[in-house]
Amino acid sequence: GNSVTQMEGPVTLSEEAFLTINCTYTATGYPSLFWYVQYPGEGLQLLLKATKADDKGSNKGFEATYRKETTSFHLEKGSVQVSDSAVYFCALGPGGSQGNLIFGKGTKLSVKP
Amino acid sequence: DGGITQSPKYLFRKEGQNVTLSCEQNLNHDAMYWYRQDPGQGLRLIYYSQIVNDFQKGDIAEGYSVSREKKESFPLTVTSAQKNPTAFYLCASSLRDTIYNEQFFGPGTRLTVL
Repeated sequence: GNSVTQMEGPVTLSEEAFLTINCTYTATGYPSLFWYVQYPGEGLQLLLKATKADDKGSNKGFEATYRKETTSFHLEKGSVQVSDSAVYFCALGPGGSQGNLIFGKGTKLSVKP
Repeated sequence: DGGITQSPKYLFRKEGQNVTLSCEQNLNHDAMYWYRQDPGQGLRLIYYSQIVNDFQKGDIAEGYSVSREKKESFPLTVTSAQKNPTAFYLCASSLRDTIYNEQFFGPGTRLTVL
């Protein structure tokens, strides 16, 4: 079945450091790929998405490219800020006939000033 | 403003009691979902509904029940049969039949069993 694997955290970086969070997937067909972000005590917010191979999603300085040949969708940001501290989830959809999303386990990012 | 609301934000329940979590959306979405979030385990699908008066079990439906009498509402009941109900519950909605399957999430309800 479809699945998502993302790097385990926590990840701790200094402000202005480069961020990479790895995400790989297993899927049949041509799924859409997403990164969601969750701030403490809140729900998930869509950060960026890509719907086909070689698409690059971007938002708020974050980027991820849909790589079909390596089945990856790694999240990157050139210079993180303290306000980026959150949990990041990689997801793919549809997860099955029901149209839900399949989520990775999440990666907690802490950015120190 | 369009969005998804969940209430209450925090909920405490005694063992053996049923409790209902509210989820309302005004995005005119047909599909709605309930997920459970536990530390280090990501999100797991409990129930989903693609249209009014129809819903399907997800991966961990045992001990839960839902209803979908209105397009805007998808309440989740955590029954006494759920052995380990303490968790963070997230409701989501999306358009049907879209290749994007982007889901919009509510702020969540944290349920604690005392």
